[in-house]
Amino acid sequence: NAGVMQNPRHLVRRRGQEARLRCSPMKGHSHVYWYRQLPEEGLKFMVYLQKENIIDESGMPKERFSAEFPKEGPSILRIQQVVRGDSAAYFCASSPTGTDNTEAFFGQGTRLTVV
Amino acid sequence: AQSVTQLGSHVSVSEGALVLLRCNYSSSVPPYLFWYVQYPNQGLQLLLKYTTGATLVKGINGFEAEFKKSETSFHLTKPSAHMSDAAEYFCAVPSYNQGGKLIFGQGTELSVKP
Repeated sequence: NAGVMQNPRHLVRRRGQEARLRCSPMKGHSHVYWYRQLPEEGLKFMVYLQKENIIDESGMPKERFSAEFPKEGPSILRIQQVVRGDSAAYFCASSPTGTDNTEAFFGQGTRLTVV
Repeated sequence: AQSVTQLGSHVSVSEGALVLLRCNYSSSVPPYLFWYVQYPNQGLQLLLKYTTGATLVKGINGFEAEFKKSETSFHLTKPSAHMSDAAEYFCAVPSYNQGGKLIFGQGTELSVKP
């Protein structure tokens, strides 16, 4: 059973370009979470999705950021018109249920560098 | 609202020495608590979790943590540090009734000296 797969592992974008980060959850997991880790900081929640639904996007910046988890295919975190401050590691986690005591399994992250 | 505080952003120990990483939580309800480890350029891996029952929780790689309600603490310990334990450690608590999203502490970077 493959773990949570994120790609690409590293992504370099120039200011103003778009960044697309992909996350394939573990088999059988229908709950996906995206977190951002800024340098020297802990992980901050961004968005929680189930198949075809955004459940909680309270951590998403109001502009330029969007996320989806379609019926088929991976979850996508999209950042439009990237700026230097978007440089960070973005982690995806999945769980089989959305309950509080369920372990979330993390991918290895996508490290975005904006130049 | 739930929150987690990790005391000490950097901890350095000698190989073979005791490891103690501190975590205090703030929660209005009995919490579930998690410790994750992050090796360089890797994702997070669950070390251990407390849900209910026994307050001393044993995890992988010889780590354990004790839930102390009176102190609102969930400190992580290991009797004897190994070089391979060098990593960043995160304490986390679920944000209740919000589908299992996690609130993380700031992280503690553990260095192990030979």
